[in-house]
Amino acid sequence: AQKITQTQPGMFVQEKEAVTLDCTYDTSDPSYGLFWYKQPSSGEMIFLIYQGSYDQQNATEGRYSLNFQKARKSANLVISASQLGDSAMYFCAMCYLGGAQKLVFGQGTRLTINP
Amino acid sequence: DTAVSQTPKYLVTQMGNDKSIKCEQNLGHDTMYWYKQDSKKFLKIMFSYNNKELIINETVPNRFSPKSPDKAHLNLHINSLELGDSAVYFCASSPGLPLGVEQYFGPGTRLTVT
Repeated sequence: AQKITQTQPGMFVQEKEAVTLDCTYDTSDPSYGLFWYKQPSSGEMIFLIYQGSYDQQNATEGRYSLNFQKARKSANLVISASQLGDSAMYFCAMCYLGGAQKLVFGQGTRLTINP
Repeated sequence: DTAVSQTPKYLVTQMGNDKSIKCEQNLGHDTMYWYKQDSKKFLKIMFSYNNKELIINETVPNRFSPKSPDKAHLNLHINSLELGDSAVYFCASSPGLPLGVEQYFGPGTRLTVT
């Protein structure tokens, strides 16, 4: 079975600082995908970034990067130069790539950016 | 030009009623999903359809019945609503392998059962 753990229920960061949101996962499948989603207070789920288990390089999308450490089973999200609009819940998720790709989510981290 | 849309956005109803939530995607994706987000913000898969065929059916009470009339639509019907059904229900879609596994979510439907 797959499991995602986000150990930081909440984080507070000063605007313009970089922030790292932690995510560890557990799976026995060799072929899997890792995702990060953002949920602002308005409630929608916004896809941020994806990393496949066989990808050699860490994924990057604008100010978002995924620090993928396969041996440690971690997939931390790094947001560079944080902005007030980054304040939201952030969810790490994974899916097995071999069958129906259902997402298994972590508990989420509430990020607050202070001016 | 909303990619994944859901109706209604809010649904308030009494225990025992039957209600439906509709989802439509205009992304041309083959796979659609229903997720439930509880009051603690925990998200869990309920169902998935690939090209109108049910492929994921998690441990969900059989009061919940999904229906996919075509690959662009996935509806969720709930019979005999209970207080514990109060949650936010998200529809999502994905192109599926080998095209891609990213799932794009609709805006959610907040269901409140009184």
